[in-house]
Amino acid sequence: AQSVTQPDIHITVSEGASLELRCNYSYGATPYLFWYVQSPGQGLQLLLKYFSGDTLVQGIKGFEAEFKRSQSSFNLRKPSVHWSDAAEYFCAVGATSGSARQLTFGSGTQLTVLP
Amino acid sequence: EAGVTQFPSHSVIEKGQTVTLRCDPISGHDNLYWYRRVMGKEIKFLLHFVKESKQDESGMPNNRFLAERTGGTYSTLKVQPAELEDSGVYFCASSAARGRADTQYFGPGTRLTVL
Repeated sequence: AQSVTQPDIHITVSEGASLELRCNYSYGATPYLFWYVQSPGQGLQLLLKYFSGDTLVQGIKGFEAEFKRSQSSFNLRKPSVHWSDAAEYFCAVGATSGSARQLTFGSGTQLTVLP
Repeated sequence: EAGVTQFPSHSVIEKGQTVTLRCDPISGHDNLYWYRRVMGKEIKFLLHFVKESKQDESGMPNNRFLAERTGGTYSTLKVQPAELEDSGVYFCASSAARGRADTQYFGPGTRLTVL
């Protein structure tokens, strides 16, 4: 069975600082990989996704993520954080074989941005 | 284009009562998913519709939960009778494609509190 681990429950950074949110997955092959963000009162918004090809994926709002097969990781990065980035971030995997279509999520990382 | 909508946004009920949650997917999306997040834990899959048919209901916790998707449009999720452990946020998502490499678009969720 596939699983996702987000080891950091809560991260605090200062505005303008760089950010890296960690995500590790367990899956028998290369899965489909996603990062979603949930701002207060909002639904989950897709930041970026990896299906195949270039392992460095660019997303919306200046975010990027790098797929590292050897480390089973898909960490999310942003060079300079803005106050509006304060939200909860979820990493998710989707199966690339079998009949299941659902996503498996990590437990989320809450990001606080200090002024 | 309207996104995925969910109603109500919040529901507070007493143990033993019945609650019905509604999800309206993005127009034209055949795939509809229900997920829930309990007590700040992972977002977990409940079930998947393709049009009006249940494709996968392996995540439904027990027979107190009944999901329907009449006519392949909106979906309802009924909890009867509700228990304390059913409290959480229920998310709906929809996607257009039949393949597995499609993006799921999420609604804002319904926060259910069972007292």
